[in-house]
Amino acid sequence: KNEVEQSPQNLTAQEGEFITINCSYSVGISALHWLQQHPGGGIVSLFMLSSGKKKHGRLIATINIQEKHSSLHITASHPRDSAVYICAVGTSGSRLTFGEGTQLTVNP
Amino acid sequence: NAGVTQTPKFQVLKTGQSMTLQCAQDMNHNSMYWYRQDPGMGLRLIYYSASEGTTDKGEVPNGYNVSRLNKREFSLRLESAAPSQTSVYFCASSSQGMNTEAFFGQGTRLTVV
Repeated sequence: KNEVEQSPQNLTAQEGEFITINCSYSVGISALHWLQQHPGGGIVSLFMLSSGKKKHGRLIATINIQEKHSSLHITASHPRDSAVYICAVGTSGSRLTFGEGTQLTVNP
Repeated sequence: NAGVTQTPKFQVLKTGQSMTLQCAQDMNHNSMYWYRQDPGMGLRLIYYSASEGTTDKGEVPNGYNVSRLNKREFSLRLESAAPSQTSVYFCASSSQGMNTEAFFGQGTRLTVV
């Protein structure tokens, strides 16, 4: 079993829908990252959180440390949100363990 | 503000050839990392440098060497490329370890034939 599990692996939505991507992990962590990888390949950091909830524009990330679970929500989804979303956990100061990613496609 | 700059973007090597992937950051970050990304797998850490003057092995260091040339630059060298090293390589940096926000380069798509 991978230390970081994301679900779903693939997600197709219609423009305007509310989207949730889940991340579960099996180890103690110091921080959790949500990253976005566009078709061109570049990776961008969306959030880093160790407790509670963060919001940036239409994106919201939550984490429940006791349940070892995090969610990334996208409100009013748009085709430009189409990308791979990657969850990664920091298990020590210098290392991240990555999930395999969730491929999101938002259709107009 | 360039962030993390990685070169080259694409490279094709023959088995046994050597090459160096270059990475530079302009954010005065202490920590730098090299990852590889393969289909069906998450990013995996090859080597990292927690601070200038130090380097350490990650999960998959075999076949690679690194140099932290100065605070800005962290290079990855393949001494004798193998087809198993065909992958997309990412350099990343962070202020202080991976409990601070990470910034990634654009990636290098390497094919070894």
